[in-house]
Amino acid sequence: GAVVSQHPSRVICKSGTSVKIECRSLDFQATTMFWYRQFPKKSLMLMATSNEGSKATYEQGVEKDKFLINHASLTLSTLTVTSAHPEDSSFYICSAWRMNTEAFFGQGTRLTVV
Amino acid sequence: GQNIDQPTEMTATEGAIVQINCTYQTSGFNGLFWYQQHAGEAPTFLSYNVLDGLEEKGRFSSFLSRSKGYSYLLLKELQMKDSASYLCAVRDSNYQLIWGAGTKLIIKP
Repeated sequence: GAVVSQHPSRVICKSGTSVKIECRSLDFQATTMFWYRQFPKKSLMLMATSNEGSKATYEQGVEKDKFLINHASLTLSTLTVTSAHPEDSSFYICSAWRMNTEAFFGQGTRLTVV
Repeated sequence: GQNIDQPTEMTATEGAIVQINCTYQTSGFNGLFWYQQHAGEAPTFLSYNVLDGLEEKGRFSSFLSRSKGYSYLLLKELQMKDSASYLCAVRDSNYQLIWGAGTKLIIKP
């Protein structure tokens, strides 16, 4: 079964609104989770590293005020896309390492901003 | 810079064998991973290599040569459901995953 659960799987929102995406590790504790963005026919682009109990580490070019990450517990990280615009429409995926040898991914969230 | 190269697309026949190659140049090496990704879905873990040699897991095998910066994923007895993208990723010295662009595998009857 899935060891990392991501919710929602699909969301459509209006421009200017905010969307929250949740990522949960179901049967292990994840002090670090990763958030990726994937464009059609492109590879995964790391957006940020989410650290439990501390601020997230953002990759160069990723706006931290637009993509708010909160990692409040060892099993939950959230990504909030604030003031969403159509160009934010994408496939967002979270992942967490288990035993340092396997990175499990959430199911992904297809965000469409209209 | 860091770079992962793999073919963009490959075609194979149902029941056959296909080998997907991956070459890498990264800052350090802490393991190479292969993932399968069906369209519209998140990647799923296939294999992990950190030492040279072949790792076999059912119909799938993965090979690594660290001195050559080279890996391949071997898929045997191909099934139509194997049609997907296959992503090669290397974990660098900072334990960051560096991703290849993926190889789209098309299986024909």
